[in-house]
Amino acid sequence: DQQVKQNSPSLSVQEGRISILNCDYTNSMFDYFLWYKKYPAEGPTFLISISSIKDKNEDGRFTVFLNKSAKHLSLHIVPSQPGDSAVYFCAASDTNSNSGYALNFGKGTSLLVTP
Amino acid sequence: EPEVTQTPSHQVTQMGQEVILRCVPISNHLYFYWYRQILGQKVEFLVSFYNNEISEKSEIFDDQFSVERPDGSNFTLKIRSTKLEDSAMYFCASTSQGLNTEAFFGQGTRLTVV
Repeated sequence: DQQVKQNSPSLSVQEGRISILNCDYTNSMFDYFLWYKKYPAEGPTFLISISSIKDKNEDGRFTVFLNKSAKHLSLHIVPSQPGDSAVYFCAASDTNSNSGYALNFGKGTSLLVTP
Repeated sequence: EPEVTQTPSHQVTQMGQEVILRCVPISNHLYFYWYRQILGQKVEFLVSFYNNEISEKSEIFDDQFSVERPDGSNFTLKIRSTKLEDSAMYFCASTSQGLNTEAFFGQGTRLTVV
């Protein structure tokens, strides 16, 4: 049951341009969303999050946008740098459940930033 | 910077054998998790653990799996009788209490069942 979907398995962007990674979810109970970055042979690293009470959260070059009505969120990286090349996972949780905040992950999008 | 550590980094085991994957979560964290990622697939939730008991488990976490926090610092995942399909990267994670559900992940243990 794929509750979090990242429909683009890969994305290639030139250095300095904007990278836009997309994520869709199906569970309307999700109210907290996170993006994780993963390099090969490492665990996922937290990047940025957003609560459902907001529609935008910005941290340096990273901005996450949330469209609750469309059940869609996106991660914008601008300007993109070669060091941003990694797999990006979208994750969602229902913080009102008794689940201990289990994260539901998408399959990931592999971002390649070329010089 | 505090981090979650996992050992071993790679474990090879024969089908039917028991394995124990070990994790040391961040010391002041209260919620602990195991996730796995089969090659080419998404990261999947296995189990969450709080206050010395399982708070949630997925359908993947069947009777062959168990978790334990034996000594207040380690958090272990035991697979009793491994199957070929248990081959995956297993990630431990921990979070502090509160609305911030940012989970800190370990580097993972690659389990290969042969």
